[in-house]
Amino acid sequence: EDQVTQSPEALRLQEGESSSLNCSYTVSGLRGLFWYRQDPGKGPEFLFTLYSAGEEKEKERLKATLTKKESFLHITAPKPEDSATYLCAVRGSSNTGKLIFGQGTTLQVKP
Amino acid sequence: GAVVSQHPSWVICKSGTSVKIECRSLDFQATTMFWYRQFPKQSLMLMATSNEGSKATYEQGVEKDKFLINHASLTLSTLTVTSAHPEDSSFYICSASQSTGGRGDTQYFGPGTRLTVL
Repeated sequence: EDQVTQSPEALRLQEGESSSLNCSYTVSGLRGLFWYRQDPGKGPEFLFTLYSAGEEKEKERLKATLTKKESFLHITAPKPEDSATYLCAVRGSSNTGKLIFGQGTTLQVKP
Repeated sequence: GAVVSQHPSWVICKSGTSVKIECRSLDFQATTMFWYRQFPKQSLMLMATSNEGSKATYEQGVEKDKFLINHASLTLSTLTVTSAHPEDSSFYICSASQSTGGRGDTQYFGPGTRLTVL
């Protein structure tokens, strides 16, 4: 069964304090690992898609990496506006089109 | 690019009434649309998958007669909550993608609709 586990559930950082969010996954035939950002009361906003181990993608202060078992979302020198819930999801070969989501990591960045 | 809209953004209705939520892909053609439900402090729960011109595929435990989904065109899908009850109160979010399962396929989400049933 495809499964996604994110850790930690919640993370508090001081502005400028870099850290990483973890997404561990079990999937039959990875067809993509997705990172989204969700602000309270809003729909998820697409950040990255990763397809194969060793792949990395960057956007501003965020960098996503992928191995065969997990993905990391590295946040460098975060700002208060980076505060949000970050969702990780996978799509496997057995779930055409469907995404399996983790429970999310809620990040709070204090000024 | 890849903008998905939902209407209404929030709705309050009386128990027993039906509510329709629209989901539109504004700048791309969506072969597949998805409907999710999200409870407070929880992740997204997939309710159903719909392909343009086809019947929706519902996830286990989702009542298809209660949550009617129509994907009439490549840019519009609707979710109708029939005979709504307080337990149907939730945050409903749609997503759209240009293809199904292929590489390069990404789901883009709408802003969500907050439904409150009194």
